[in-house]
Amino acid sequence: KQEVTQIPAALSVPEGENLVLNCSFTDSAIYNLQWFRQDPGKGLTSLLLIQSSQREQTSGRLNASLDKSSGRSTLYIAASQPGDSATYLCAVPNSGSARQLTFGSGTQLTVLP
Amino acid sequence: SQTIHQWPATLVQPVGSPLSLECTVEGTSNPNLYWYRQAAGRGLQLLFYSVGIGQISSEVPQNLSASRPQDRQFILSSKKLLLSDSGFYLCAWSGQGRNTEAFFGQGTRLTVV
Repeated sequence: KQEVTQIPAALSVPEGENLVLNCSFTDSAIYNLQWFRQDPGKGLTSLLLIQSSQREQTSGRLNASLDKSSGRSTLYIAASQPGDSATYLCAVPNSGSARQLTFGSGTQLTVLP
Repeated sequence: SQTIHQWPATLVQPVGSPLSLECTVEGTSNPNLYWYRQAAGRGLQLLFYSVGIGQISSEVPQNLSASRPQDRQFILSSKKLLLSDSGFYLCAWSGQGRNTEAFFGQGTRLTVV
């Protein structure tokens, strides 16, 4: 059964700092990995989808990397801003036809002004 | 473009009362549909998923049921709510392909009193 772990559970950084969020998964036979952002009391916003054949995917100040063999992904946020404060979740789909997602427990990021 | 609508945003219901949460998707056809629950301090738990009209799979035995009466409509129901049903309910959709991105609604905060 796939297990997804995110470390750290919480992170507080000063504005302008570059930071890395970590995600690890136990079953490396994945099709892709998706990073989400969740603001308090809100739904999930998709940030990046990185395919299993890719090693990196970029969107603006965000860069996600994927290393299937080691079961790890990182989300790099450049020049962090207070508006980046949120919970960041990673998720991987199962191999069945329904592609249900298994989520990590998230990293709660606070960017201090 | 595709959009997902979920309502209501918040709901306070007494124990023993029925429940109906609705989710609709626009701009796509034959999506996979999902209901997740996010309890306080816990990760996202998949409750139900559907790969087509009338096709419902349950991940966790519980007091809830789901139905898909139309291609882009997914309903979460309960005949009698329990206190333990309180939580944040999220509807999501994804395409049928292997490397498809998942998109989430804004969620429903359910409080059973």
